[in-house]
Order: sequence, then C-alpha cells, then structure tokens
Amino acid sequence: EPEVTQTPSHQVTQMGQEVILRCVPISNHLYFYWYRQILGQKVEFLVSFYNNEISEKSEIFDDQFSVERPDGSNFTLKIRSTKLEDSAMYFCATGPSNTGELFFGEGSRLTVL
Amino acid sequence: DAKTTQPTSMDCAEGRAANLPCNHSTISGNEYVYWYRQIHSQGPQYIIHGLKNNETNEMASLIITEDRKSSTLILPHATLRDTAVYYCIAYSYGGATNKLIFGTGTLLAVQP
Repeated sequence: EPEVTQTPSHQVTQMGQEVILRCVPISNHLYFYWYRQILGQKVEFLVSFYNNEISEKSEIFDDQFSVERPDGSNFTLKIRSTKLEDSAMYFCATGPSNTGELFFGEGSRLTVL
Repeated sequence: DAKTTQPTSMDCAEGRAANLPCNHSTISGNEYVYWYRQIHSQGPQYIIHGLKNNETNEMASLIITEDRKSSTLILPHATLRDTAVYYCIAYSYGGATNKLIFGTGTLLAVQP
C-alpha cells in the first residue's frame, strides 16, 4: 500500500535555527498539506499546496514558514527561525486518492530548545 | 465547513462493537462524512467516508441518517489496538476550503 514518508522522524534544534521537514507524497496525488499538533492539542491545518503554489494557509503559517516542492517529488516545510512554541509534531498529508481520502505521514517531531 | 460534534470520550469492552456517534446538522449537500483516527501521536489514519448511503469496509461501518444530520461509526469487534482518538469530519474535495479540519474527536478506550 502506498504511503506518505516523512523525514526526519525527530529533530532537536536551538531556538533561532532554521529547520526543514521533508515529505515524500504518494505519486499521482495532486494536493499536499502540512498540519501540526502541539502536544495534547488538536491537529491544526497549516497550509495546502496545489499546482506548485500555496492554495490556502492558516493564520499560524506566517512569514517564518515556507513550503516548496524543489524537485517535483519531495514536499518541504521550512521554518526560518524556530521559536520555542514551534515545538510540535508536523504531519504531511497528500491526496486525494481515487476514492477521495487524504493520507497522512507518521509525522516529524520538532523540539526547539 | 460543517462543524461536527462528538462525545469527548467513550469506553468499550474488547470484542464488543464500538459505536461512535457524530452530529453534523449543518452539513452541506456536497460534503462527505469522513472518519479518521489517531493512535497515540501517530499520523491520522483514514477509516471510512460516505455521502448518504451506509458504507462498510474492512475496518468499520458507517451509518448515516437519512437527513444526513448525524452518523455513527461502528467498529464491529473492538480490540485493544483500536484505542485511539476518532475524528468525524465533514469534507468536500474540491470545495471552497479543500482541507480536513480536525476537532477534538472522541477518545475511545477499549477495555480488556
């Protein structure tokens, strides 16, 4: 069964450092998403990406965040200057499948010290 | 996006059917009812979705009321590994907001 792959599984960084989280989507999916989940809280939408551009973003997705698909396969989320409050699980999702569902990766845990 | 409401938590005995309710009284005609679950801090896992007919797959059954204002996810024989947070989401692919919006879900605890 095809799956969404995310790397790294866990990253620890110092406040102010840049972080890049990577996602390999399922091939032939057209929509790509990033979500985050702060420990003990809801899964929150960050951004959606379609046709090589952002189609929608939330209030959380400020100028410190950016997304791109640098080589036509990987989908990346960059945080330019991390803050303590960026510590969270970040999930990539892609879709839709031919029956309409979105698939999520297992997440990247970001810890900002 | 239609807002859904779910109980905060439920218990179920291992081997019994787990019935998880969801209210979505403001669902629009082109929105499907999707169910996902999240085991511990893993990525949300798709379970099932439907528009107005009842649906069944290898994981679960979905019963949608005729007026589409509520639905029930049924796990026919719950196991300990089904302990998770279950999310009911109204979603329309290609709609105005083409994204899943997660609420707080129902924490299902399967008891041995």
